[in-house]
Formats: sequence, C-alpha cells, structure tokens
Amino acid sequence: DAMVIQNPRYQVTQFGKPVTLSCSQTLNHNVMYWYQQKSSQAPKLLFHYYDKDFNNEADTPDNFQSRRPNTSFCFLDIRSPGLGDAAMYLCATSRDWGANQPQHFGDGTRLSIL
Amino acid sequence: AQKITQTQPGMFVQEKEAVTLDCTYDTSDPSYGLFWYKQPSSGEMIFLIYQGSYDQQNATEGRYSLNFQKARKSANLVISASQLGDSAMYFCAMPGGTSYGKLTFGQGTILTVHP
Repeated sequence: DAMVIQNPRYQVTQFGKPVTLSCSQTLNHNVMYWYQQKSSQAPKLLFHYYDKDFNNEADTPDNFQSRRPNTSFCFLDIRSPGLGDAAMYLCATSRDWGANQPQHFGDGTRLSIL
Repeated sequence: AQKITQTQPGMFVQEKEAVTLDCTYDTSDPSYGLFWYKQPSSGEMIFLIYQGSYDQQNATEGRYSLNFQKARKSANLVISASQLGDSAMYFCAMPGGTSYGKLTFGQGTILTVHP
C-alpha cells in the first residue's frame, strides 16, 4: 500500500563520497519534491520536478543534484557530501503544483556522514 | 512572503483528552490554504488535514479538526480524544507566495500524550 517509497531508510557514506537516494511513487503524481530536514527543524525544500521540468530552490547548494528519469522515480544525488549534509531527506509528491494540493511524503532516508 | 508561526515548542495532554495546537500565519495572497502534518519519531510526514481560505466551514477529518479564524490569522489544530499514538511532531504549513506550490512550514510542536 506504500505510495511514496524511499530507499534506503538509512544510508551511511563517507565524507566526500558520492551518494544517491531514491524515491518512487505509485500515485502517478505530476510533481515530486526533495526536502532536507535537520534535527529539530522544519523540512527545507531543495528542488521539485513538475513532470520533467526541474525547479531548483535558490539556496540549494550545487552539491545537490536530482534526476527524474520517468514519472515514477526521482533520485537525489549528493556529489561530495560534507558533515553538514547529515540529515533526513524526504521525498514527496503531489498531483499538481498548486496551493491546495496536499503533498504525500515517503518515510524518509536518514543520511549519516562518517 | 509567507510566514508560519507555531509558538508551542512542546505540549502535553492526557490520553482521551482534547488538545489544541496553535498556528498563526501571515500572507499577502488573497486566496490561500493551510495544511497540518504529523511526523512521528520514525520520520515520515503524514498529511492530516487541509483548509482553504474560502472554505465556509472548518475542516474535519476523523479526530482532527481545524479551528480556522481568518480575522486572527490563525489555523489551530484540534485533536479530540488523544491517543498514545498521537505523540509526534506536528507541523503547520502554508503553500503559495512567489513559489505557488512550495510549502512554508512552521517550527513544529512536539505533542506528548500521557497514559
């Protein structure tokens, strides 16, 4: 029944070693989002895709990239993770891009940097 | 720009009692909405309830209801008959502004339900 699935739940990587987090959805939603959430803070939007159109937030570091090869899948690539990138990464989807569209979140991937 | 304020860092409630979580907002959009999300310690964000500014009646979803007062710019979440499983972080969020579908989140309120 899971509708937004994130893999893995926990990821450990080394400082500077590229890492990819994955998200898939069975809702056939047009929009997919990636958020970063640090401990005791609200989620922070990194970027979103409306279909194939990529939209980067102005303050998202260049170190973070994303790919959406098809409707169902979206990936977050961190090219050279630093200690400050340790966080929970949340993927979300919404049917459309609009003010009344609830976003449906996955369970998140908790990223640790050694 | 949108601004969401949750002034209660932590709240405690006895099981089976009702609790109100506060949320105030500021926006220049003539039409807007408010979402509430629940985040248990396991990390997933669960959509609870939504209300649009032009909705005539306060939204209700099971034990959750929104006390929406536009004049006061508040959209408080009321949880009736609290259960132990309600213990979690709760976020109020508003979409819109310069980035139409982007959510602006409040700081969150940690709710603890005591048996």
